[in-house]
Amino acid sequence: DQQVKQNSPSLSVQEGRISILNCDYTNSMFDYFLWYKKYPAEGPTFLISISSIKDKNEDGRFTVFLNKSAKHLSLHIVPSQPGDSAVYFCAASALTGANSKLTFGKGITLSVRP
Amino acid sequence: SQTIHQWPATLVQPVGSPLSLECTVEGTSNPNLYWYRQAAGRGLQLLFYSVGIGQISSEVPQNLSASRPQDRQFILSSKKLLLSDSGFYLCAWTPEWGRGGNSPLHFGNGTRLTVT
Repeated sequence: DQQVKQNSPSLSVQEGRISILNCDYTNSMFDYFLWYKKYPAEGPTFLISISSIKDKNEDGRFTVFLNKSAKHLSLHIVPSQPGDSAVYFCAASALTGANSKLTFGKGITLSVRP
Repeated sequence: SQTIHQWPATLVQPVGSPLSLECTVEGTSNPNLYWYRQAAGRGLQLLFYSVGIGQISSEVPQNLSASRPQDRQFILSSKKLLLSDSGFYLCAWTPEWGRGGNSPLHFGNGTRLTVT
């Protein structure tokens, strides 16, 4: 059962344009959501997060939007740069004591064309 | 600052051979430690996590095991590898108090395991 879904496996955008990466979840107990970025042959690195008490969080060119009623979140990158080309993982967690057990989606491969 | 080391970077092993992947964390005490696997075309799957020495929780039944002999050392093992064990294995840590949002996972660079 895929609790975090990234239904589009890939996305290609022109440099300077906006990239919108989507993520859906099914578990209503999730209360924290994160995006990770991964380059080939490297581990994922944390990008941005959002708590369920918010509907938007912004950090420079990256903004994450959360729609709790739709169980949907999205990552906006604007303007997109070639260095943003990577695999982006959506992840979610539910409060389960002191342990950070994240559930990841399958990832979206973003290609930014120069 | 904290760093995480994972080795080897790549590994090719025959079916039926044993496996030992090692991960160490520096610059922190009593971290939560994790082993994840990314199989081809799939997301990151949590295999094991540990909140302290000798404390291992398994998330999915499988051919692998984990051990934490020291505070900042986490080992992933198998007695006999299967073809289905091929994948990209990632070690990660969070601070002792950390949870998914307040303290994101910090990943190592991973080990690409190919079982032939």
